[in-house]
Amino acid sequence: AQRVTQPEKLLSVFKGAPVELKCNYSYSGSPELFWYVQYSRQRLQLLLRHISRESIKGFTADLNKGETSFHLKKPFAQEEDSAMYYCFQGAQKLVFGQGTRLTINP
Amino acid sequence: DTAVSQTPKYLVTQMGNDKSIKCEQNLGHDTMYWYKQDSKKFLKIMFSYNNKELIINETVPNRFSPKSPDKAHLNLHINSLELGDSAVYFCASSLSMITPEQYFGPGTRLTVT
Repeated sequence: AQRVTQPEKLLSVFKGAPVELKCNYSYSGSPELFWYVQYSRQRLQLLLRHISRESIKGFTADLNKGETSFHLKKPFAQEEDSAMYYCFQGAQKLVFGQGTRLTINP
Repeated sequence: DTAVSQTPKYLVTQMGNDKSIKCEQNLGHDTMYWYKQDSKKFLKIMFSYNNKELIINETVPNRFSPKSPDKAHLNLHINSLELGDSAVYFCASSLSMITPEQYFGPGTRLTVT
């Protein structure tokens, strides 16, 4: 069965510190991976897609097929980054990870 | 010019009642979805429609019945509501089944008392 695992339910870092949100997937074919963000009481918004290899709001994510990972990284966290982050696999079966609540402390 | 809209935003009702949530997208997308987000913020797909045809039907009780009158609308009707149905329900759309990038509605917070 296809799975997306985000091992950390909660992650707390200080402002200005680097942040990494982990995501591992299980899918035998070519995955379609995304990161979505949900700010407090708002709708989910697309943050990144793996095929574009872009940086949005300072975040990047690299697909590592060997480790079946798609970790989300930002070198210097900002307070406005506090939110729920979801890793999503969209090839064949649509699966969200369990989500990681990121809190940036001042 | 909202892309994906849902009504109502909040819904409070008693056990046993029947209720509907409506969703509309003006993006010209072919595919629409319903997701349930539980109290632990876990998101799970319930249904997917492509051009008014049911494509994905996860293990959801028969009390939940989606209806797509046209490809811009996907409504969710719930019969005999139970306490466990309390959740936030998100509608989403994507360009097509093979383009999984999703655009989400604002969510409907359903509370069953």
